[in-house]
Amino acid sequence: EVQLVESGGGLVQPGRSLRLSCATSGFRIDDYAMHWVRQAPGKGLEWVSGISWNSGTIGYADSVKGRFTISRDNAKNSLYLQMNSLRAEDTALYYCAKEWSGMDVWGQGTTVTVSS
Amino acid sequence: QSALTQPASVSGSPGQSITISCTGTSNDVGGYNFVSWYQQHPGKAPKLMICDVSNRPSGVSNRFSGSKSGNTASLTISGLQAEDEADYYCSSFTSSSTYVFGTGTRVTVL
Repeated sequence: EVQLVESGGGLVQPGRSLRLSCATSGFRIDDYAMHWVRQAPGKGLEWVSGISWNSGTIGYADSVKGRFTISRDNAKNSLYLQMNSLRAEDTALYYCAKEWSGMDVWGQGTTVTVSS
Repeated sequence: QSALTQPASVSGSPGQSITISCTGTSNDVGGYNFVSWYQQHPGKAPKLMICDVSNRPSGVSNRFSGSKSGNTASLTISGLQAEDEADYYCSSFTSSSTYVFGTGTRVTVL
């Protein structure tokens, strides 16, 4: 079964850092691009970042550029999101998603709350 | 990276057809055939319903169909059923090699 499991969320103060992880199983992660998508409470979906299969192409939303870094370790079947200089507006449920003609598999998400 | 524009809500009676629009620009929807549609029920992760403008992934009901004209993509749900009540989001690849989602549409089955 293809599965994505996010972890690493929590309560963090503004300006601090957090690292999210996405553990994958049931497929070869190195065959696919991967993404992080977030959803603030009661709001819509927002694409955060994406990374190609070999990390050769990486993109970020303007709202996180310069603060967040996406990476992957294909040998560990894992995707990561390093989040620095966190702001209150980064509070959201963060999903990782696998891309195959659209984001075809999603995890259940990990919640990040930025508050003092 | 402005969000794609969708109507906030669309409603229909069981058995009817509804269409949700998704308007972008020539730098996203109009420039690429990489438009996807996602269904999200409350408290659940999004589910891919349409990819590459009009392709249905395996397992998705053929009541769902997608199309595009110019800078506007559309999702049509025919034979509306109670289980279709959910939020729907479009998404597109952009000229900046990023992705953008739509503002989201709440579908209500009357």
